[in-house]
Amino acid sequence: SYVLTQPPSVSVAPGETARITCGGINIGSKSVHWYQQKPGQAPVLVMYYDSDRPSVIPERFSGSNSGNTATLTISRVEAGDEADYYCQVWDSSTDHLYVFGTGTKVTVV
Amino acid sequence: ELQLVESGGGLVQPGGSLRLSCAASGFTFSRNWMHLVRQPPGKGLVWVSRINPDGTDTDYADSVKGRFTISRDNAKSTLYLQMNSLRAEDTAVYFCARGPLSSGWYFDLWGRGTLVTVSS
Repeated sequence: SYVLTQPPSVSVAPGETARITCGGINIGSKSVHWYQQKPGQAPVLVMYYDSDRPSVIPERFSGSNSGNTATLTISRVEAGDEADYYCQVWDSSTDHLYVFGTGTKVTVV
Repeated sequence: ELQLVESGGGLVQPGGSLRLSCAASGFTFSRNWMHLVRQPPGKGLVWVSRINPDGTDTDYADSVKGRFTISRDNAKSTLYLQMNSLRAEDTAVYFCARGPLSSGWYFDLWGRGTLVTVSS
């Protein structure tokens, strides 16, 4: 099955830049989507097709994907960005079809 | 308001059954693929099942195949998950999620989830 690996945690100061990576074999050949999940809340789509941003998501969020790593970048981090972030791809070779990354906890310190 | 609201979770004994519901509002439910995604306590997201807009095509993760059945009632804008032969490892928050009209590859709207606990 296809595995997506994320760092368990990322710490960032307010106003700085957070980069969340998502590693997978040749992930650059796939489309990567990202979700933000705050405690007790519904996950929210923050990036789709690598670098497309839903209209309600601030421009501070951006995405890229190449080689074996996809990256979600949050610029000018705010306290409200503190959450868990998950990457996701579609992979027909696995029974799960939709594969999620292991998740990254972003802490604003 | 655009939303998905899950219900039906609770405590069930191993081997038991439970039916989850997901009520949709704010969009034309009958046009979208719908999905169930679960999250075991303290762990990450795991896709469980999907159903096409008219309910004629379904897919399941191997871990639930033969035990879970996804269905929908477009007249009621409601998604269902019938869960049978429940196991401890099925304990999780179950989210329903919408596939966007333009793509089948991600989820653009999620509910807040309902907790299913399988324990004796």
